Amino acid sequence: ETGVTQSPTHLIKTRGQQVTLRCSSQSGHNTVSWYQQALGQGPQFIFQYYREEENGRGNFPPRFSGLQFPNYSSELNVNALELDDSALYLCASSLAGTGSNSPLHFGNGTRLTVT
Amino acid sequence: AQTVTQSQPEMSVQEAETVTLSCTYDTSESDYYLFWYKQPPSRQMILVIRQEAYKQQNATENRFSVNFQKAAKSFSLKISDSQLGDAAMYFCAYIRAGNNRKLIWGLGTSLAVNP
Repeated sequence: ETGVTQSPTHLIKTRGQQVTLRCSSQSGHNTVSWYQQALGQGPQFIFQYYREEENGRGNFPPRFSGLQFPNYSSELNVNALELDDSALYLCASSLAGTGSNSPLHFGNGTRLTVT
Repeated sequence: AQTVTQSQPEMSVQEAETVTLSCTYDTSESDYYLFWYKQPPSRQMILVIRQEAYKQQNATENRFSVNFQKAAKSFSLKISDSQLGDAAMYFCAYIRAGNNRKLIWGLGTSLAVNP
C-alpha cells in the first residue's frame, strides 16, 4: 500500500510569484484535502476535492486553487504569493462514501517559504 | 462555529510515567468525531486515536486512551508508560459527521519525554 506523497519537500519563492504543490493520494483513496499549517499553529482547512471537483472550501482567498486528476492525485496552486503564505502545506487523502469514519492519511507536507 | 481548544502549549513526562493532554471543543452538532493526531519532527500527521461522539465507551489504542465527556465537551488523551518515541506535537481535532473532510484543529501541545 503506497502512502500519501507530497512534492517538493521544501520550496522558497519570492513575494508575487506563483507556486504549485503536488500530492499523490494513498492507493484506493478518492478524496484529497489540503491544509495550511503556519508555524506554531494547528492546520487550517483550505479545500477538498472529490471526483475532480472541489466540494468544500475553508476561509482562503481565490488565489488558492486546486486540481484533482483522474488518478486522484492533486495539485495546490497559489498565485501572487504573500509573506503570510509561508507555512507547511499538508495533503491528506481518504475514501469518501464511508462517512467521517474514514480516517485521513497525511503526507509529510511541503514547507513553503516566501521571501 | 466549531472550535477546539488545547490549553497546554507544553507538557513533559518522565519515561514510563503517565501523562494526560487536555482538549475541549465547542459545537452545536450532535454527530461528530474527535481525533488525536501526533506530529513528530518528520512533520507527518499520524492518527493516534479517534472517538465517535455517539459511543459512550472511551476509545483505547494500546498505551493511548481517551476520556470523552460529551456533556462537558472534553476529550483528553492519556498516554501510559510513556516512551521516548512519544515526544512530538499532539493535536486534538474535530470533524462533523458526513462526507466532508474539514477537520477543525487545536493549537497543539508539545510533549517532551525525559529519560
